[in-house]
Amino acid sequence: DQQVKQNSPSLSVQEGRISILNCDYTNSMFDYFLWYKKYPAEGPTFLISISSIKDKNEDGRFTVFLNKSAKHLSLHIVPSQPGDSAVYFCAARETGANNLFFGTGTRLTVIP
Amino acid sequence: KAGVTQTPRYLIKTRGQQVTLSCSPISGHRSVSWYQQTPGQGLQFLFEYFSETQRNKGNFPGRFSGRQFSNSRSEMNVSTLELGDSALYLCASSLYFGRTGELFFGEGSRLTVL
Repeated sequence: DQQVKQNSPSLSVQEGRISILNCDYTNSMFDYFLWYKKYPAEGPTFLISISSIKDKNEDGRFTVFLNKSAKHLSLHIVPSQPGDSAVYFCAARETGANNLFFGTGTRLTVIP
Repeated sequence: KAGVTQTPRYLIKTRGQQVTLSCSPISGHRSVSWYQQTPGQGLQFLFEYFSETQRNKGNFPGRFSGRQFSNSRSEMNVSTLELGDSALYLCASSLYFGRTGELFFGEGSRLTVL
């Protein structure tokens, strides 16, 4: 049973435009949410996170929004750059645990 | 500082064999966890070790096992390999257990079972 879902397997955007990646979850016990980026032949690298007590966290071009009532979070990348082309994984952590539940990933392609 | 190191990077086995994968965490990190990545399934949690003790385990059969040594290095073993075990196995380390959730991943060991 997939507790973290990324329903869009792929997304293409033009360079300079906004990229919005979405993620839904079902477990109310999740208290921390993270986004990871993965390039081919490399391990996932941490991008940005948000605690469940917040609704927004910003780091440079990356902003994560959390809507707890809808059990939905999104990652905004503005402006998108060709180097952002990668697979993005949404992940969540249960209170008191250290393991993460991952979504299936969204492949972002930024077109120059 | 050096990142998470996994060996071997690639390996091919046949059904019924067993395999051992190794992971060296970032220096000072005491928590090591393992994930399996297959197409369409994302990353699935296998188990986590902290201070040589298994702290959490995912929903995988007993053929999957692991251990952690006193220097925090970890190994995972898969016995009686099946075709469905073909996957990228990722090791991740973190400084503490149960903190912010940020994990540092290695590049993975890609296992192919024929």
